Amino acid sequence: DAGVIQSPRHEVTEMGQEVTLRCKPISGHNSLFWYRQTMMRGLELLIYFNNNVPIDDSGMPEDRFSAKMPNASFSTLKIQPSEPRDSAVYFCASRPTLGQGSHEQYFGPGTRLTVT
Amino acid sequence: EDKVVQSPLSLVVHEGDTVTLNCSYEVTNFRSLLWYKQEKKAPTFLFMLTSSGIEKKSGRLSSILDKKELFSILNITATQTGDSAVYLCAVEYPNQGGKLIFGQGTELSVKP
Repeated sequence: DAGVIQSPRHEVTEMGQEVTLRCKPISGHNSLFWYRQTMMRGLELLIYFNNNVPIDDSGMPEDRFSAKMPNASFSTLKIQPSEPRDSAVYFCASRPTLGQGSHEQYFGPGTRLTVT
Repeated sequence: EDKVVQSPLSLVVHEGDTVTLNCSYEVTNFRSLLWYKQEKKAPTFLFMLTSSGIEKKSGRLSSILDKKELFSILNITATQTGDSAVYLCAVEYPNQGGKLIFGQGTELSVKP
């Protein structure tokens, strides 16, 4: 299995631009999570989906952030407009269905976002 | 507010030393506690603990959970330079599809 796939791996953009981060979870996993990691705040959960449905978006910092999961194999996290304080590493993780073996989260390689 | 607190935040040791990393938690609901290792890239899973007093082992790493005192420890014996990483502790909420709250992490540096 290829694991969780994220793209792009690095993104540099100017303040005010729209940024779209992409994630392909592991096949068969029914939960998907978006995290943001910074030195100051550590690893924070932004939003997660179960069976493609958003369950908890309380970690989304503000309306500039939005996430979608149109099908079981693809999710996007969009920031519009981007700001320098959004600079961070964004991780996507997926998790198997409960009851199907171990249920820890598997993380993708992350997207390092720099907003100038 | 629910929180997971790790200590120390950073640690420098020499190869061969034994280290103990601490994780305490204050959460309203608890399902399990997980340890991850992060080496300049994505976190990778180490252990999941759900019951008190049962030690999980993987080679030189071991971990145990105390649900009464609300903490867990991760031990690494005979440390190697390859153990250098950030170790993350996370608590999983029950019935919330696997939602985790992470601690700040402990940055371990093992010198030759």
